[in-house]
Amino acid sequence: SQQGEEDPQALSIQEGENATMNCSYKTSINNLQWYRQNSGRGLVHLILIRSNEREKHSGRLRVTLDTSKKSSSLLITASRAADTASYFCATANAGNKLTFGGGTRVLVKP
Amino acid sequence: GAVVSQHPSRVICKSGTSVKIECRSLDFQATTMFWYRQFPKKSLMLMATSNEGSKATYEQGVEKDKFLINHASLTLSTLTVTSAHPEDSSFYICSATDGARNQPQHFGDGTRLSIL
Repeated sequence: SQQGEEDPQALSIQEGENATMNCSYKTSINNLQWYRQNSGRGLVHLILIRSNEREKHSGRLRVTLDTSKKSSSLLITASRAADTASYFCATANAGNKLTFGGGTRVLVKP
Repeated sequence: GAVVSQHPSRVICKSGTSVKIECRSLDFQATTMFWYRQFPKKSLMLMATSNEGSKATYEQGVEKDKFLINHASLTLSTLTVTSAHPEDSSFYICSATDGARNQPQHFGDGTRLSIL
């Protein structure tokens, strides 16, 4: 069953703008992960944030985690046309099993 | 590093055929592999978890006799869709992990299965 809910479901922005998407979950987690999926392809891992971490950066990506609210956000700064993709959050339990959110489809217009 | 190869990338076959999809970890030992199904514009749904050398654990609602999973080695897992029907048409994706805690899964590029 899907644990995570992502918001918004779709996002359209101009190149250079920032894109923010949010993820909420219901149960306790070991970590939360963000993945990107280009159309018709597999998933590419972006960032993993552990349950005891609050914020993590990787290049133009910034992820926050609020375990008290059971929510996470992914910020993509200075977006590029190549960032056009679907983005999924996934929560991991002790067995490394992932439960995915519904995803956010991001369109970056040149 | 951490490359997962999934083959074939696309398969079209007639109803009643059995189809085998392979998932290989190329540069690490995959103690656990996962199989997902994805419908158009939807998220991934976990079908089953397979650990090397043991029987796969299927998620609720997934028919184990329909979707046969074998994980005979630390680098290969296979998913066989038996007697496929049009409703089995979907995008199937595998992922693999070496079992380390707090590490991401590594995904194959998926298989587009179309049953006529």
